[in-house]
Amino acid sequence: QKEVEQDPGPLSVPEGAIVSLNCTYSNSAFQYFMWYRQYSRKGPELLMYTYSSGNKEDGRFTAQVDKSSKYISLFIRDSQPSDSATYLCASLDTNAGKSTFGDGTTLTVKP
Amino acid sequence: DGGITQSPKYLFRKEGQNVTLSCEQNLNHDAMYWYRQDPGQGLRLIYYSQIVNDFQKGDIAEGYSVSREKKESFPLTVTSAQKNPTAFYLCASSNIRGVDYGYTFGSGTRLTVV
Repeated sequence: QKEVEQDPGPLSVPEGAIVSLNCTYSNSAFQYFMWYRQYSRKGPELLMYTYSSGNKEDGRFTAQVDKSSKYISLFIRDSQPSDSATYLCASLDTNAGKSTFGDGTTLTVKP
Repeated sequence: DGGITQSPKYLFRKEGQNVTLSCEQNLNHDAMYWYRQDPGQGLRLIYYSQIVNDFQKGDIAEGYSVSREKKESFPLTVTSAQKNPTAFYLCASSNIRGVDYGYTFGSGTRLTVV
């Protein structure tokens, strides 16, 4: 079993839709949780990271962590064609000093 | 501007040949990482280093080697022992001593065996 499992997708939505991207993790040592966005043939870029359970908002993006159920979510409001990319969730074990990534969900937002 | 530079962008390797991928960062980050990404798959950790002259194997280290002689540089060598090296290779760095644990990634090197 992978330590970080991500809903595989692909996901296709119309412009303006609310998008929900989801991951689960199994390692209780994970302390920080990140979302990265990767455009085709590019390196991933960090979107958001959270430490505790709860919500963190940045513009149209909201990251949600529920440590009791080991569930991570990213919500995108008013989705735009420019949001079309692969989204990777990641969990960090600071003791081990490395992150574990999900396999990614490819999102297409259609105009 | 601070960032990570990976070179070359595209690399072609003949069977039985060793090749070295370059990764340089000017972010003053302590930790550096190498990941491999295959089509439709996530990132798999090859090697990582938290300080100079020290590095650890990741999940798929066989057939790869690294060095960390300088804080800014973390080159990856793909040896002839790596049987299926065609993939997209990503280098990343992070500030493990700070409060921002997110990774900064390079733009990647696409390696193809010919």
